Amino acid sequence: NAGVTQTPKFQVLKTGQSMTLQCAQDMNHNSMYWYRQDPGMGLRLIYYSASEGTTDKGEVPNGYNVSRLNKREFSLRLESAAPSQTSVYFCASSGWGTDRLEIYGYTFGSGTRLTVV
Amino acid sequence: RKEVEQDPGPFNVPEGATVAFNCTYSNSASQSFFWYRQDCRKEPKLLMSVYSSGNEDGRFTAQLNRASQYISLLIRDSKLSDSATYLCVVNGQAGTALIFGKGTTLSVSS
Repeated sequence: NAGVTQTPKFQVLKTGQSMTLQCAQDMNHNSMYWYRQDPGMGLRLIYYSASEGTTDKGEVPNGYNVSRLNKREFSLRLESAAPSQTSVYFCASSGWGTDRLEIYGYTFGSGTRLTVV
Repeated sequence: RKEVEQDPGPFNVPEGATVAFNCTYSNSASQSFFWYRQDCRKEPKLLMSVYSSGNEDGRFTAQLNRASQYISLLIRDSKLSDSATYLCVVNGQAGTALIFGKGTTLSVSS
């Protein structure tokens, strides 16, 4: 029962480097999300994918790109890392009610702790 | 008004105490409500959904007041293991993502 798997768990980047955070879920959920969590700021939505083939910006999308590779996988890319992107990144997935008014609770991955120096 | 607001605490209580957390939300069209628990340096985990009629799960009771746009979580007989941050969570516009409050920190001491 893997749920949501994120890789890597830890990463240190130099300013200007690029990297891709990987996320995969095995719960057949339609929707997937990327959040970042900073001290005192709570969880902030970066991007989400309501269903395979669609992606939308969240609250803090600048400096990030995403790809919904298939129903299982949703990756987050930092093209040119900046110290302000030092954070803990969480991927999550969820299902929805048939009318899409009710969302079921998220399942989160264990997070990626990223430091940009 | 922020979308989801919580008292950050910390709430420091002795074992066995009853403690209540409150949360307000701004979107009157919200349909889904949750409490999540987050331990230090771990991912958030679903504690319980919140239903209009109120619901209980062991020592935990959640209430929803749609008229006041207010959600509460009551923890009875607190345990040391209840020490964590509790996140109030509400859905945004239909078909979009959940919105998280910044969390309320609970510390239970012996």
